[in-house]
Amino acid sequence: AQSVTQPDIHITVSEGASLELRCNYSYGATPYLFWYVQSPGQGLQLLLKYFSGDTLVQGIKGFEAEFKRSQSSFNLRKPSVHWSDAAEYFCAVGAFRPGFGAGTTVTVRA
Amino acid sequence: KAGVTQTPRYLIKTRGQQVTLSCSPISGHRSVSWYQQTPGQGLQFLFEYFSETQRNKGNFPGRFSGRQFSNSRSEMNVSTLELGDSALYLCASSPGQNQPQHFGDGTRLSIL
Repeated sequence: AQSVTQPDIHITVSEGASLELRCNYSYGATPYLFWYVQSPGQGLQLLLKYFSGDTLVQGIKGFEAEFKRSQSSFNLRKPSVHWSDAAEYFCAVGAFRPGFGAGTTVTVRA
Repeated sequence: KAGVTQTPRYLIKTRGQQVTLSCSPISGHRSVSWYQQTPGQGLQFLFEYFSETQRNKGNFPGRFSGRQFSNSRSEMNVSTLELGDSALYLCASSPGQNQPQHFGDGTRLSIL
């Protein structure tokens, strides 16, 4: 069975500071991994995906994520956060009936 | 290219009623999935349709059903509504299996 854990429910970061969101997964085979972002009142937008190949994946809006098989992790990072990055972020595993984490809410302070 | 369109955006119903939600996928996408999102349970998978056939189903009661038409548009129906069905219902489409999903903005369903 597949599952995703996002250990941090809420993270507050200063504008301009770096951001890292953690994601740990459980999956029986080579995982398909995704990060999505959701702004209030909207649906989910795909930030990036990992299927295979280079373990460092670049996404939109300056985000990147690194797949570490040994740690079953797929953490999302951004070097310098902008106020518009305040949103809820979801990690997901598996493209066939994907499982989503509970989400991490990011607050950006001026 | 137009995104995934869900109608209506907001809906208010009372217990015992039924409701139908609509989803128009991105042109060319044949897979449509539905999710329920609530503060307590997060994102939960309802079902997935591909070429008019239900391919996957989540752990929801039979009151939740769906269908997909030949043009890939999909509808979701919930009968005998309960207070706990209040949620944001999200539709997502993708070109096929193992492809990223593109989400609509959802239908906010409130049950009184």
